[in-house]
Amino acid sequence: DTAVSQTPKYLVTQMGNDKSIKCEQNLGHDTMYWYKQDSKKFLKIMFSYNNKELIINETVPNRFSPKSPDKAHLNLHINSLELGDSAVYFCASSQEGASLETQYFGPGTRLLVL
Amino acid sequence: QKEVEQDPGPLSVPEGAIVSLNCTYSNSAFQYFMWYRQYSRKGPELLMYTYSSGNKEDGRFTAQVDKSSKYISLFIRDSQPSDSATYLCATSSRTGANNLFFGTGTRLTVIP
Repeated sequence: DTAVSQTPKYLVTQMGNDKSIKCEQNLGHDTMYWYKQDSKKFLKIMFSYNNKELIINETVPNRFSPKSPDKAHLNLHINSLELGDSAVYFCASSQEGASLETQYFGPGTRLLVL
Repeated sequence: QKEVEQDPGPLSVPEGAIVSLNCTYSNSAFQYFMWYRQYSRKGPELLMYTYSSGNKEDGRFTAQVDKSSKYISLFIRDSQPSDSATYLCATSSRTGANNLFFGTGTRLTVIP
């Protein structure tokens, strides 16, 4: 009974390609996030999104775009992939106003750009 | 200066040892403090959550926050090989945790 799931788990692709990573949460949360974790394990937020607002980390290139078809899904589209995009991407979700206000993470998608 | 600083380790201890993991943070507005555990090739999972200063205990784990010195600690008593993982501290300044600031994580190995 997975709370936050991501597909695919592994993604190997060529430089210049366009790819998407999907995320789904069954927790009923209203806010979802995308993080990038580099080789040194540093987690950096890329986007947070709920019904009302998309907050973008200003350091994220505009080749990255989140798309939310509904409250339970937040997909990440990446255009013109570059070598430096290789990392693990984590989706997470949280509920505003809950007593334990923190984020639940998916298992990650390992992206390798060749 | 990063919002949260954490020694990346690695840290190796024998089974049964007491482990101390630490972070410092720069923004005095941070009020929510969390520790996440991340096993190899898995996503981070919430381990401990505290609000403001003080101690919180959960089994073998104790989280400690000292806001006066902007210092966060996680203590693990009677460490087990299953505790081997990367531990990430995280802080937030407001409700909703819309912006969590993470440390780089400390990789811990508990040797049987």
